Amino acid sequence: EVQLVESGGARVQPGGSLTLSCAASGFTFRTHGMSWVRQAPGKGLEWVSFVDTTTSLIFYADSVKGRFTISRDNAKSSLYLQMNNLKPEDTAVYYCVRDPYNSGTLGVLDYWGQGTLVTVSS
Amino acid sequence: NFMLTQPRSVSESPGKTVTISCTRSSGGIATNYVQWFQQRPGSPPTTVIYEDNQRPSGVPDRFSGSIDTSSNSASLSISGLRTEDEADYYCQSYDSSNPHWVFGGGTKLTVL
Repeated sequence: EVQLVESGGARVQPGGSLTLSCAASGFTFRTHGMSWVRQAPGKGLEWVSFVDTTTSLIFYADSVKGRFTISRDNAKSSLYLQMNNLKPEDTAVYYCVRDPYNSGTLGVLDYWGQGTLVTVSS
Repeated sequence: NFMLTQPRSVSESPGKTVTISCTRSSGGIATNYVQWFQQRPGSPPTTVIYEDNQRPSGVPDRFSGSIDTSSNSASLSISGLRTEDEADYYCQSYDSSNPHWVFGGGTKLTVL
């Protein structure tokens, strides 16, 4: 069974930093691209970032480019999101989402984690 | 960049069929696959349709997806509506010209 378990969400002050983690199991992690998708309270879904299997392809939404860094450790079957210079508008539940393919060029998403809440507030 | 536009809400009675549309603002709807996700309150999204019209295992065949190039839109149809289908539904596609994953704004389905 595919499982994606996010952790690391917390309340931080504006300008602060946070790193989210996603532990994957139930599939061969190193053969799948991975994305982060967020959802602000009461709002819709917003794609944040993507990384392919070898980290040779990495993409970011314009809203987070230059502030967030996606990475992965295939040996640990884990995905990460380093978030710097956080703003109140980054407040959201952050989901770890699997791409059924390796390079993301088809843009398909399939399995979602339960999400972890990040609150940016003073 | 393109946008995906969905109706904000739809409602229908149990046992009936409802169709939710997802219109692409520019570029052809058939250019990139469309996915549909169901999100019940307090839960993460789950996939009900992928690659335009494919159903994951475990999703009942009451759910079907299609694309219409004449209206440049994708549609999710749910037949034999049940109260458990009440949820938010999101369409999603991919902007290959400027790699971004694009979501529609979501449609709240009420079954009453």
